[in-house]
Amino acid sequence: DQQVKQNSPSLSVQEGRISILNCDYTNSMFDYFLWYKKYPAEGPTFLISISSIKDKNEDGRFTVFLNKSAKHLSLHIVPSQPGDSAVYFCAATDPGNEKLTFGTGTRLTIIP
Amino acid sequence: DSGVTQTPKHLITATGQRVTLRCSPRSGDLSVYWYQQSLDQGLQFLIQYYNGEERAKGNILERFSAQQFPDLHSELNLSSLELGDSALYFCASSFRTGDTEAFFGQGTRLTVV
Repeated sequence: DQQVKQNSPSLSVQEGRISILNCDYTNSMFDYFLWYKKYPAEGPTFLISISSIKDKNEDGRFTVFLNKSAKHLSLHIVPSQPGDSAVYFCAATDPGNEKLTFGTGTRLTIIP
Repeated sequence: DSGVTQTPKHLITATGQRVTLRCSPRSGDLSVYWYQQSLDQGLQFLIQYYNGEERAKGNILERFSAQQFPDLHSELNLSSLELGDSALYFCASSFRTGDTEAFFGQGTRLTVV
């Protein structure tokens, strides 16, 4: 049972344009959401997070939007840069459950 | 560099064998998590330890076990290995239990032949 879903395995975006990565979840108990970025041969690195009491969180070029009614979150990267090419994982956690539940990832390729 | 060290980076072994993966958490972190990433899959939570005690358990097979030692390093033991156990195994650490912004090691790539 995949509680966190990233339905797009890959995404290609022109450098300088906006990249939008999507994530859906099924567990209504999830209250904290994170995005991790992973380069080849490296472990995932934390990128940005959002609590369920917010609908938007911004950090530089990265913005995460949360739509609780739709159980959907998205990561916007603008402007996209070649160094953003990586696999992006969406993850979620719920109160009292300390593990992160990850999606399957989206491979983002930024085209120069 | 996340500060989390995993050894070895690569491991090739035969079916039926037993291996031990090692993780040293970031200095000061008390919580250690183990995740498995199979080909084209997300990271599957296996198990969490906090200050030496098992805290949470995920989809960990009975053939797999883990422990956290007094110096806070952790080991994941995989036995009676099968071809399907081939995967990347990641360790992550955080200071507190429930700290969701965990820091990941580079992973151990296990290949069972």
